[in-house]
Amino acid sequence: EVQLVESGGGLVQPGGSLRLSCAASGFTFSNYWMHWVRQAPGKGLVWVSRINSDGSTTSYADFVKGRFTISRDNAKNTLYLQMNSLRVEDTAVYYCAKAPRSNGWFDPWGQGTLVTVSS
Amino acid sequence: QSALTQPASVSGSPGQSITISCTGTSSDVGGYNYVSWYQQHPGKAPKLMIYDVSNRPSGVSNRFSGSKSGNTASLTISWLQAEDEADYYCSSYTSSSTRVVFGGGTKLTVL
Repeated sequence: EVQLVESGGGLVQPGGSLRLSCAASGFTFSNYWMHWVRQAPGKGLVWVSRINSDGSTTSYADFVKGRFTISRDNAKNTLYLQMNSLRVEDTAVYYCAKAPRSNGWFDPWGQGTLVTVSS
Repeated sequence: QSALTQPASVSGSPGQSITISCTGTSSDVGGYNYVSWYQQHPGKAPKLMIYDVSNRPSGVSNRFSGSKSGNTASLTISWLQAEDEADYYCSSYTSSSTRVVFGGGTKLTVL
């Protein structure tokens, strides 16, 4: 069974940092693009970042560029999102998702991890 | 403001059909056949329902179908059932640097 499990969320003060992890199982992780998508409380889905299969290509939404870094460890079947200079507006559930190609769909999604930025 | 425009809400009675629209531009929906649709129940992760405009993943009911005309994609749910009540989001590949855009979401209420 293909499974994605996020971890690393929590409460952090504005200006702080967190690193999210997404553990993958049930498929050949190193063959797929991976994405992070977030959802603020009561709001819609917003794409955050993506990384290609070998980690050589990354893209970011403008609102996280320069603050967030996506990476992956194919030996550990794990995707990461390093989040620095966090802002109150970064408060959201963060989902990781698998994609079959650079312009592909997201399937499956992890269960999400909640990041709360508050003083 | 979301890049793709969806109606905030739609409703229908059991057994009826509904259609949710997703309007973009020639840089996203209109320019590529890379539109996907997701269903999200409260407190749950999104689930893929349609990919590449009109393809249905294995395990998704054939009551769900997708189409596209110009800059607008559509998700149609036939024979509405109570379990279809959820939020629905469209997504598209885009030529912009972000490469991915979502719609604002549509809340489907089954009356």
